[in-house]
Amino acid sequence: EIVLTQSPGTLSLSPGERATLFCRASQVVSDNYLAWYQQKPGQAPRLLIYGASSRASGIPGRFSGSGSGADFIVTISRLEPEDFAVYYCQQYGSSPPTFGQGTKVEIK
Amino acid sequence: QVQLVQSGAEVKKPGASVRVSCKASGYSFTGYYIHWVRQAPGEGLEWMGWINPYSDGTNYAQKYQGRVTMTSDTSINTVYMEMSGLTSDDTATYFCAREGAGSYSPFDYWGQGTLVAVSS
Repeated sequence: EIVLTQSPGTLSLSPGERATLFCRASQVVSDNYLAWYQQKPGQAPRLLIYGASSRASGIPGRFSGSGSGADFIVTISRLEPEDFAVYYCQQYGSSPPTFGQGTKVEIK
Repeated sequence: QVQLVQSGAEVKKPGASVRVSCKASGYSFTGYYIHWVRQAPGEGLEWMGWINPYSDGTNYAQKYQGRVTMTSDTSINTVYMEMSGLTSDDTATYFCAREGAGSYSPFDYWGQGTLVAVSS
């Protein structure tokens, strides 16, 4: 199975700053079938990005995804208060689908 | 609108079984796979398996084979996840999630989660 490693584990930033989160796969992700999810405490994950770079419905333009092969990035251009959460990457091109361990974006 | 509504929290003793339901609405129930994902307290997301409500086909993570059964009832647009032989390590929130349309899609809608606590 494909192992996804996210970095950093925790990102401490202030509102208005730029956040850059990384996800590295143990092997090439088929057809860049890589998604990013946001999860807030007590809530279910929410799909942000799919296909490495496509925003899901209703996701603000400040979220962008990039990367290919085995290295992927999600960027939040200017952090809003509601963006402080845990972010997970997921590959869904190979079975079993797997998730990274998460990056927590916290208020500095 | 698409909704997945899960059953309420459960408290179980070690060795018991639990069944969690996930009722779908707002879309064609048999047109989409449903996956189950669990999250232990303070931990990350772990995929457990999927069910195809159209064919009742299933695919379980190797870790759960023989202990988890996923079923569906198309008459009430509901899928179920049953886990047997519970231990304290199974204490977690269990989510159902819909896989999007087409081959190879992410999980576009999620249930609210069901907390299963296993304690003697």
